[in-house]
Amino acid sequence: DAGVTQSPTHLIKTRGQHVTLRCSPISGHKSVSWYQQVLGQGPQFIFQYYEKEERGRGNFPDRFSARQFPNYSSELNVNALLLGDSALYLCASSPSGQGLETQYFGPGTRLLVL
Amino acid sequence: AQSVTQLGSHVSVSEGALVLLRCNYSSSVPPYLFWYVQYPNQGLQLLLKYTSAATLVKGINGFEAEFKKSETSFHLTKPSAHMSDAAEYFCAVSPNTNAGKSTFGDGTTLTVKP
Repeated sequence: DAGVTQSPTHLIKTRGQHVTLRCSPISGHKSVSWYQQVLGQGPQFIFQYYEKEERGRGNFPDRFSARQFPNYSSELNVNALLLGDSALYLCASSPSGQGLETQYFGPGTRLLVL
Repeated sequence: AQSVTQLGSHVSVSEGALVLLRCNYSSSVPPYLFWYVQYPNQGLQLLLKYTSAATLVKGINGFEAEFKKSETSFHLTKPSAHMSDAAEYFCAVSPNTNAGKSTFGDGTTLTVKP
């Protein structure tokens, strides 16, 4: 069975541009969470979606947005990129996003903002 | 608010030696705690999780962790290190209702010397 997949694997953008990152959850998983992992730090929670509804949002500016599609895949959008947005963006899926069910992480998208 | 602190950003052990990675948490409610491992260029993989069922939790690859409420700790151990254990390890805490909103520590890089 395929795990969580993310695209693209690497991306280079310049300041002020916009970026869209994509995530496909494990088949049957309806919840997707997004995390930002800056070099040398742990992942930081950005968003969680379940059944196309936002279930939670971390402490990130409005430049960050996301959505989930009927097939449960998800996009993370970041507008007006800053140098500080350079990071590994991780997507994780779980069956329902409730309780303590295991999250399965994708390999991430590494974004570099110049 | 919940937080975790991982003591020691780098730990180095010899092959066959005891592995001890430290994690202390802060939580105003009963915590739910996790340890993840991240290999280079890969996403995070769950090693084990504490869900209040038992204070000593056994995980994959021979790792285990003990929850000590009095010390607010959840240290990760393995009796005998293997070269393949070299990776970055993250401790995380989540609200009891949702593992998809986890708060992570900054990680500990484990090096295993031959």
